[in-house]
Amino acid sequence: DAKTTQPPSMDCAEGRAANLPCNHSTISGNEYVYWYRQIHSQGPQYIIHGLKNNETNEMASLIITEDRKSSTLILPHATLRDTAVYYCIVRGNNAGNMLTFGGGTRLMVKP
Amino acid sequence: DVKVTQSSRYLVKRTGEKVFLECVQDMDHENMFWYRQDPGLGLRLIYFSYDVKMKEKGDIPEGYSVSREKKERFSLILESASTNQTSMYLCASIEWGKNTEAFFGQGTRLTVV
Repeated sequence: DAKTTQPPSMDCAEGRAANLPCNHSTISGNEYVYWYRQIHSQGPQYIIHGLKNNETNEMASLIITEDRKSSTLILPHATLRDTAVYYCIVRGNNAGNMLTFGGGTRLMVKP
Repeated sequence: DVKVTQSSRYLVKRTGEKVFLECVQDMDHENMFWYRQDPGLGLRLIYFSYDVKMKEKGDIPEGYSVSREKKERFSLILESASTNQTSMYLCASIEWGKNTEAFFGQGTRLTVV
């Protein structure tokens, strides 16, 4: 599975959009980009995933560059409850594919 | 609505003890994973299994073994617990071949004294 690079920490003002970047320059054609977040003392929670096209759900939007080497998770109106560690993962869908997390980005939403 | 259940939330064991951490999922998933999480080190993969009796080493398998005798249950074993294995342990499961989310247990905070 491809490795990812994320900034270790970011701040965002409450009510503003939070844009979390992720580099995955070694991603292969059949690997998806997944985002998870982990709020203190809980297990990680799935947010969104995508292959090539931009995706949106009730939690966030995912923008994947055309060359697929990087992506951005967007929380359109960040709240204090969005303070968490956000993980970007790339993974294929074959049996035996590991699910490997990097260090993630610690997002702090401030009032 | 519980999907992945870990047997204990908190556990205290003595150095040298054999420790079993149990994880059960009710979603009929093929893939199951064990991680440990330590401050500043993120989630590190210990072992994973993609089928009954199948296992693969993750990034940090030393000092651990696993067992998957039934599809729904994936056990992490510390043969002889040491203080450096004090950590938060998380189990996850995901459906093979499907582009779906992984579900995590609530975690087991293990302290080895």
